[in-house]
Amino acid sequence: GENVGLHLPTLSVQEGDNSIINCAYSNSASDYFIWYKQESGKGPQFIIDIRSNMDKRQGQRVTVLLNKTVKHLSLQIAATQPGDSAVYFCAEEETSGSRLTFGEGTQLTVNP
Amino acid sequence: KAGVTQTPRYLIKTRGQQVTLSCSPISGHRSVSWYQQTPGQGLQFLFEYFSETQRNKGNFPGRFSGRQFSNSRSEMNVSTLELGDSALYLCASRGLAGAWDTQYFGPGTRLTVL
Repeated sequence: GENVGLHLPTLSVQEGDNSIINCAYSNSASDYFIWYKQESGKGPQFIIDIRSNMDKRQGQRVTVLLNKTVKHLSLQIAATQPGDSAVYFCAEEETSGSRLTFGEGTQLTVNP
Repeated sequence: KAGVTQTPRYLIKTRGQQVTLSCSPISGHRSVSWYQQTPGQGLQFLFEYFSETQRNKGNFPGRFSGRQFSNSRSEMNVSTLELGDSALYLCASRGLAGAWDTQYFGPGTRLTVL
């Protein structure tokens, strides 16, 4: 896959468990944050986003938490399924900009 | 709506050649961004086009260029290819997702430079 060679953080969970993927960001000026999922051979797929004036946002089976004090973002996946196995990236964007800065990614493996 | 499409999906070139990649954004989206993804560097921003104008540019050499047409389709060009240009090139178009604009990615073009 695209991330072979990178020593990606890995997370291995059992099917049905909850997963938590963490991300540290560096730019204090970032005010928009996104989580993407990338399966092998595919482009990043939008999962959920959050603005800096929020600390939590929920979607279907996913929750994003933002802690601006320590510049930390997390993605929680409830009842993880084998289809959730992928690399997950966090991305940040400044108000004034249009470029996304990506984290290194986390490889999530779900064991049946 | 159809998603972001990129052509070709796979490309093999030799050093010194040049290459053009194409991206068609989601219908109605006017902003197109390009990213390079490699095992060593991860995902890195190349440039963004909006209404046929380059609005933002990443830290890549001048060999990397792009353009956008009046129908919002975009192309990127890499001249004088180097081995290190081997990568997955991703295009993203920006549009409304719920409350906010966000970027949606295409499947990418896998470029191999020999």
